Amino acid sequence: IAGITQAPTSQILAAGRRMTLRCTQDMRHNAMYWYRQDLGLGLRLIHYSNTAGTTGKGEVPDGYSVSRANTDDFPLTLASAVPSQTSVYFCASSDSTAGGTDTQYFGPGTRLTVL
Amino acid sequence: SQKIEQNSEALNIQEGKTATLTCNYTNYSPAYLQWYRQDPGRGPVFLLLIRENEKEKRKERLKVTFDTTLKQSLFHITASQPADSATYLCALDLSLPSGSARQLTFGSGTQLTVLP
Repeated sequence: IAGITQAPTSQILAAGRRMTLRCTQDMRHNAMYWYRQDLGLGLRLIHYSNTAGTTGKGEVPDGYSVSRANTDDFPLTLASAVPSQTSVYFCASSDSTAGGTDTQYFGPGTRLTVL
Repeated sequence: SQKIEQNSEALNIQEGKTATLTCNYTNYSPAYLQWYRQDPGRGPVFLLLIRENEKEKRKERLKVTFDTTLKQSLFHITASQPADSATYLCALDLSLPSGSARQLTFGSGTQLTVLP
């Protein structure tokens, strides 16, 4: 069982370029999330999806978009990358029907550098 | 505004001692609180969940307490080992700034180092 996979593992990107970070889970969890993690700021929620076909904005959504065409995949797109988007990005999923406890399972992360 | 604070960015402790990490929150009454472990270069891993009506939860050498009056959770690792060295994150369900939903919100973490 792979759990959650993310691709790429790391990427260096020129400012202004478009980039899609991929996330796939095989646990059939209904909810998925994207976070960014910066030193001293902890994990901050970018976007989430409670079920396939729906998405919502998190704490820091500006400059990012997501889609949830099916249960397993939740790509995150940076339409025009800026240096402030340099960060480590984590995808997570949860089975939000499991007593409403929302325990989350995280992928290994994507380290993105925007120059 | 709602806020989560973990007591310190770094904590060093001698092997065999009990490590105690603190998570405080303000302006909120969460239904539950979670603790995660994160190793360098890896994603967080869930450890324990404690609900608002529970005072204490244990799992092997881990113990979590939840005081809703003090708005505080304590995370204890007894008989600590160098392998326990990691960053520990607390998380609770808070309302998003937009007010549209509650989502799990993480503290910035405490980096624990257990010295041999």
